[in-house]
Amino acid sequence: SQQGEEDPQALSIQEGENATMNCSYKTSINNLQWYRQNSGRGLVHLILIRSNEREKHSGRLRVTLDTSKKSSSLLITASRAADTASYFCATDEGSGNTPLVFGKGTRLSVIA
Amino acid sequence: GAVVSQHPSRVICKSGTSVKIECRSLDFQATTMFWYRQFPKQSLMLMATSNEGSKATYEQGVEKDKFLINHASLTLSTLTVTSAHPEDSSFYICSARDPGQGAGDTQYFGPGTRLTVL
Repeated sequence: SQQGEEDPQALSIQEGENATMNCSYKTSINNLQWYRQNSGRGLVHLILIRSNEREKHSGRLRVTLDTSKKSSSLLITASRAADTASYFCATDEGSGNTPLVFGKGTRLSVIA
Repeated sequence: GAVVSQHPSRVICKSGTSVKIECRSLDFQATTMFWYRQFPKQSLMLMATSNEGSKATYEQGVEKDKFLINHASLTLSTLTVTSAHPEDSSFYICSARDPGQGAGDTQYFGPGTRLTVL
């Protein structure tokens, strides 16, 4: 079942601007992960944030997690045209062999 | 790092035929693999959990007699779409955790198989 809701569903920005995508979920989690997917391609793992972490950085990516609000955000700074893709959050209950549950995703378009 | 492969990457078949998709963990053993389906412009939806040596667990609404899953070894799970119809056209993705990586937080995804049923 799909538990995550992401907003916005689609986002169009100019190159150099920052892009923020949000994700909400419903159940308790062990960690939350963000993935990127170019059109028609497989998933690329971007970043994982554990339930006891509040913020994490990786290059131009910044992820926050608020477990009290059951929400997470992904910020891409200084966006580039190559960042154009769909971005998904996925929650992991983390009991060992549980699947990831994906949000609906945000389609990001970065215009050069 | 751990790698999961899928074969074929793309398949086109006629309506009514069966298609087998393989998912392999290349450098680790996976007792559990997951199969997802993704329709155009939508997110990944879990179809089933594939368990080595036992029956797969299917999500609600997924027909187990139509989507046959066989996890015959610790490195291979297969998904067979039986009597495929055009509405089965989709992107099928498998994933697995590497239990050798501590708590195994990271799931490794295959590159996906695009099925087109004519």
